[in-house]
Amino acid sequence: ETVLTQSPGTLSLSPGETATLSCRASQGINRSYLAWYQQKPGQAPRLLIYGVSTRATGIPDRFSGSGSGTDFTLTISRLEPEDSAVYYCQQHKSAQWTFGQGIKVEIK
Amino acid sequence: QVQLQQSGPGLVKPSQTLSLTCAISGDSVSSNIAAWNWIRQSPSRGLEWLGRTYYRSKWYRDYAVSVKSRITINPDTTENQFSLQLDSVTPEDTAVYFCARDMWGYYYDFWGQGILVTVSS
Repeated sequence: ETVLTQSPGTLSLSPGETATLSCRASQGINRSYLAWYQQKPGQAPRLLIYGVSTRATGIPDRFSGSGSGTDFTLTISRLEPEDSAVYYCQQHKSAQWTFGQGIKVEIK
Repeated sequence: QVQLQQSGPGLVKPSQTLSLTCAISGDSVSSNIAAWNWIRQSPSRGLEWLGRTYYRSKWYRDYAVSVKSRITINPDTTENQFSLQLDSVTPEDTAVYFCARDMWGYYYDFWGQGILVTVSS
């Protein structure tokens, strides 16, 4: 099973700043199979990015993804109060899907 | 717009079977490009994919290794829905259970509302 490790655990930033979220895989991942989600309390996760860098429908261009192999990054530019949430990366390999443990982003 | 509506009991006794249903609108359980998944979330295990079913000229199922011996996911083409059965539950199976659609196995683009299932006597 491919383990995804996200860091840092929590980010506390001010509006307008940039958040950089890391996702490291225990083995290499096909680019097509790396996605990012946002989850707010009491809600289901919401797809943000798939295929490492493709934004899902309706996702603002403040959200961007990058990376390859085992290291991937979600960048949130010009942070807004509504970006306060937990962010998860997710991968697929060999008919098994796994998620990272999540990064909490707090807006001061 | 695809919508997934979950239903099922919120309380299950230990050793019994957990059963949930996910009704699909705006798509078909028999889609040739989508698959229909169950995912759960708990404080101890985080987000955990459990399994999926999909149709590609015949029905297929993939299950997580961690639950493979006691999980069944079935499509219901008559009602356009799919179900989860998890046997021999323990308190460790207490979680919020989500159904979700994936496209080509790449990502989950639509999710159900989630149901908290508590395993307790």
